[in-house]
Amino acid sequence: QVQLQESGPGLVKSSETLSLTCSVSGGSMSGHYWNWIRQPPGKGLEWIGYVYDSYSVSTNYNPSLKSRVTISEDTSKNQFSLELNSVTAADTAVYYCARARQGVHREIDYWGQGILVTVSS
Amino acid sequence: SSELTQDPAVSVALGQTVRITCQGDSLRNYYTNWYQQKSGQAPVLVIYGENNRPSGIPDRFSGSSSGNTASLTITGAQAEDEADYYCHSRDNSGNHVVFGGGTRLTVL
Repeated sequence: QVQLQESGPGLVKSSETLSLTCSVSGGSMSGHYWNWIRQPPGKGLEWIGYVYDSYSVSTNYNPSLKSRVTISEDTSKNQFSLELNSVTAADTAVYYCARARQGVHREIDYWGQGILVTVSS
Repeated sequence: SSELTQDPAVSVALGQTVRITCQGDSLRNYYTNWYQQKSGQAPVLVIYGENNRPSGIPDRFSGSSSGNTASLTITGAQAEDEADYYCHSRDNSGNHVVFGGGTRLTVL
């Protein structure tokens, strides 16, 4: 059974960088898409991006966030990370890490419990 | 705004059938996945690849697709089905992931 757990500060100051880590247990990171998805309070889900580890490592980001986002992985620790810079109050959200399966459907079959990150002024 | 459009809210009487829809041009070319999210919880996959159910999902959940519209149908809705439902696919370019805005289902 794959499990994902987000960790990082729950409070970030405006204009600074939000950094989160997702620890993966119960399975290999190879051959899957490792996503970050966020949900502002009372709103819907927004895909941030993913890192994909197959024969080589690649990333893909939401065009609306691409200039501020970096997603990376550390397979030796079975972790992947999110950095979002120049944050504002609009970045306040529950941040989820999640695994999408390789294949034509790329369904997200495992999610972390989510971590609330508040951006303060 | 999302490239996938969902009705914000839908209601259904207990035991009746409800259809939740998701519209978008990309759905003509890519499969849709559906997630259920109950209050305060992470989303759960209920349908993937148009009409496949993960293990543990009741068979009252089904999916279908026609043209630019994907649908999630709950046949015989139960009180525990009250939740937000999100569709998930690719954007019009096919290069990025996108979610619908979500539909809040109320079971009366």
